Amino acid sequence: DQQVKQNSPSLSVQEGRISILNCDYTNSMFDYFLWYKKYPAEGPTFLISISSIKDKNEDGRFTVFLNKSAKHLSLHIVPSQPGDSAVYFCAASAGNDMRFGAGTRLTVKP
Amino acid sequence: NAGVTQTPKFQVLKTGQSMTLQCAQDMNHEYMSWYRQDPGMGLRLIHYSVGAGITDQGEVPNGYNVSRSTTEDFPLRLLSAAPSQTSVYFCASSGGRVNTEAFFGQGTRLTVV
Repeated sequence: DQQVKQNSPSLSVQEGRISILNCDYTNSMFDYFLWYKKYPAEGPTFLISISSIKDKNEDGRFTVFLNKSAKHLSLHIVPSQPGDSAVYFCAASAGNDMRFGAGTRLTVKP
Repeated sequence: NAGVTQTPKFQVLKTGQSMTLQCAQDMNHEYMSWYRQDPGMGLRLIHYSVGAGITDQGEVPNGYNVSRSTTEDFPLRLLSAAPSQTSVYFCASSGGRVNTEAFFGQGTRLTVV
């Protein structure tokens, strides 16, 4: 069973606009959430994380929002840049267990 | 500044063969893990280690063995390769628990025929 779901396989936005990537989870034991970015032929790289005791975390152009009651988190990228084009994975952890979503391919058009 | 190094980058195996995927990190991280990535599935945790001499199973451990004799190295062994193990394998390390920032290797693309 997929405990972490990214229901949008792809997203296309214009340069300078906001990108919003969504993620849903089912396991209420998850207490830490992360976003990773992946370019082709490379390993994932860490982007931003959030603890379950918070509802928002910002790092430059990237903001992650957590809605625990809805078991939903989102990643906002503002403004989007062509270099942000990549596959984005959300991940959730409980103890030493880590579950990833299937990823969303973001394309930022110049 | 190597980070996490995986070898080989590509490998083709015949069904029933065994092999070891190598992973080494130079960041003195305690936590290391192996994932596999399949289309439409994201990354799934195979095995992990919280320090030298300590390993445990992840979500999909069957058909794989690991050991952690040193802090730096965390090899993944396929005992008898099957076509279902065709995948891209990633090794990762982190300085704290699994929920801290992980550094990933570039991956090993394995094909079992």
